[in-house]
Amino acid sequence: DIQLTQSPSSLSASVGDSVTISCRASQSIATYLNWYQQKPGKVPKVLIYAASSLQSGVPSRFSGSGSGTDFTLTINNLQPEDFGTYYCQQTFSFRPLFGGGTKVEI
Amino acid sequence: EVNLVESGGGLVQPGRSLRLSCAASGFTFDSFGDYAMHWVRQAPGKGLEWVSGISWDSNDIGYADSVKGRFTVSRDNAKNSLYLQMNSLRTEDTAFYYCAKDVEHCSGVVCSNWFDTWGQGTLVTVSS
Repeated sequence: DIQLTQSPSSLSASVGDSVTISCRASQSIATYLNWYQQKPGKVPKVLIYAASSLQSGVPSRFSGSGSGTDFTLTINNLQPEDFGTYYCQQTFSFRPLFGGGTKVEI
Repeated sequence: EVNLVESGGGLVQPGRSLRLSCAASGFTFDSFGDYAMHWVRQAPGKGLEWVSGISWDSNDIGYADSVKGRFTVSRDNAKNSLYLQMNSLRTEDTAFYYCAKDVEHCSGVVCSNWFDTWGQGTLVTVSS
């Protein structure tokens, strides 16, 4: 199985800050990497697909980068509504495992 | 707008079985049979865990190591339904179980997949 390791597991930041979340794959997955946001009591929502493509309707302060084994989700100008837990997911194989999650507190 | 509704969760003793269903609706120019589908679970206060997936034609099926040999995924495209048969349940299987629709987007020869629609989940509690 392709394992995904996210870091940090949690972070606290202020409104207006830039935040970076990392996701490392145990083997190369090209750009088959998605990022989701989940708020308490809600289902996950995709933010970024194919490592760097912004899903329609997602604010442009969210961006993704990386390929191979190292990926990054960046949130610029952090807003109060950006609190929640962020997960990366690989879709290189038909076993689309998730990373362990990063909890973002404002 | 596509809607997914899970059912079948509940309280069950360790070692027993449970069958989850996911009913899909709201397709317009496409159909349930066009998409791969997945089950994802989340224990209370924990992260997302992919459980199982099935291709549109049921030819490709995958399971997480934690459920392999105990869970069986299936689908009935005529009924717009996805199922998860869970046998030999363990206390660690306690979680909310979500079904999710897998969407594929191709740009040239490169195709990407993600889960674009999720149900609201059904809670499975395994306890004596």
